[in-house]
Amino acid sequence: AQSVTQLDSHVSVSEGTPVLLRCNYSSSYSPSLFWYVQHPNKGLQLLLKYTSAATLVKGINGFEAEFKKSETSFHLTKPSAHMSDAAEYFCVVSEGDSSYKLIFGSGTRLLVRP
Amino acid sequence: DTAVSQTPKYLVTQMGNDKSIKCEQNLGHDTMYWYKQDSKKFLKIMFSYNNKELIINETVPNRFSPKSPDKAHLNLHINSLELGDSAVYFCASSSRWEAYGYTFGSGTRLTVV
Repeated sequence: AQSVTQLDSHVSVSEGTPVLLRCNYSSSYSPSLFWYVQHPNKGLQLLLKYTSAATLVKGINGFEAEFKKSETSFHLTKPSAHMSDAAEYFCVVSEGDSSYKLIFGSGTRLLVRP
Repeated sequence: DTAVSQTPKYLVTQMGNDKSIKCEQNLGHDTMYWYKQDSKKFLKIMFSYNNKELIINETVPNRFSPKSPDKAHLNLHINSLELGDSAVYFCASSSRWEAYGYTFGSGTRLTVV
């Protein structure tokens, strides 16, 4: 069965410094992987997705993630944090060979210090 | 605007009541979902409909009943509400032809008192 593990429940960075949010996945199939962001009291917004094309995926707001099959990782990065990036981030894997069911990680709260 | 919209945004109700949450999408997607987010922010799928057919039905109490009158609508009816049903419920939609990825609604915060 597919699963995702987000290795940090909270990450705190200073504005202007790099962001790294870690995610490891477990999948019997060639997985589709996603990062979603949830701002306080808001819905979920798709940041980026990997669907077996290029292993380095660029998303919105300057975020990107690299799919590393050998490490079963899909870490999210951004070169320079902005105050508006403070939110909850979810790493997600789709189950099986369809997109019908998404399995969410437990989330990482990103705090950005001025 | 193209979107997934759900109503109401907030719902406060007493234990034992029956309530419904409505969801509509105008994206032309063929699959719709209900997800539940608990107080620890954990998100888990409850139901999924593809072209009005139920395709995913996770282990959810049978007090929860989804209804899909057409491809663009998926409503969630909850009978005999319990304190533990308090959560944020998200509706979402997707299309298999769009290389995966969902569009989520903004959520309904249900509080049972």
